[in-house]
Amino acid sequence: GDSVTQMEGPVTLSEEAFLTINCTYTATGYPSLFWYVQYPGEGLQLLLKATKADDKGSNKGFEATYRKETTSFHLEKGSVQVSDSAVYFCALSDPGNQFYFGTGTSLTVIP
Amino acid sequence: GEEVAQTPKHLVRGEGQKAKLYCAPIKGHSYVFWYQQVLKNEFKFLISFQNENVFDETGMPKERFSAKCLPNSPCSLEIQATKLEDSAVYFCASSQHPGSTGYNEKLFFGSGTQLSVL
Repeated sequence: GDSVTQMEGPVTLSEEAFLTINCTYTATGYPSLFWYVQYPGEGLQLLLKATKADDKGSNKGFEATYRKETTSFHLEKGSVQVSDSAVYFCALSDPGNQFYFGTGTSLTVIP
Repeated sequence: GEEVAQTPKHLVRGEGQKAKLYCAPIKGHSYVFWYQQVLKNEFKFLISFQNENVFDETGMPKERFSAKCLPNSPCSLEIQATKLEDSAVYFCASSQHPGSTGYNEKLFFGSGTQLSVL
């Protein structure tokens, strides 16, 4: 079945450091891919998405490129801020209208 | 409404008591999903609805968990005879009918119900 695997956390970075959170997927078809973010005490919010191969999703300085050849959708940001501290979830949606989430990666950015 | 509304925000139950959680999806959204977040990160799918019909219930513990989405009422998730391990945050999410690609484009999440079983 379809699934998402993302790097284990927690991740701790200093402010202005470069961020990469790895995500790979397994899918029988051509899923849409997402990154969701969960701030403390809140539900998930969509951060960015890509619906086909080679698409790049971007938002708030975060980027991820849909790589079909490596079945990956790694999240990157060039310079993180303290306010980026949150849990990040990689996800896919399949033609069966189901969403699959990774296990989440906790990010803490220290001043 | 314009956001997924979950009630209550917090629910405390003694072991063995019943717990009922509610979710009002965004108006016009056809799909409702329930997720359980036990550990800080892990997100477990429970059940999804397409309007009032169960769409996928592969994640539901059948013995004590039940869910409904009735017309003109909030969706509900009910746990009979709660156990300590049911303590978690339960998230509801809704989405529109899939677009021309056939894929759901986005899930909108509520802020969750924190269930504590003592």
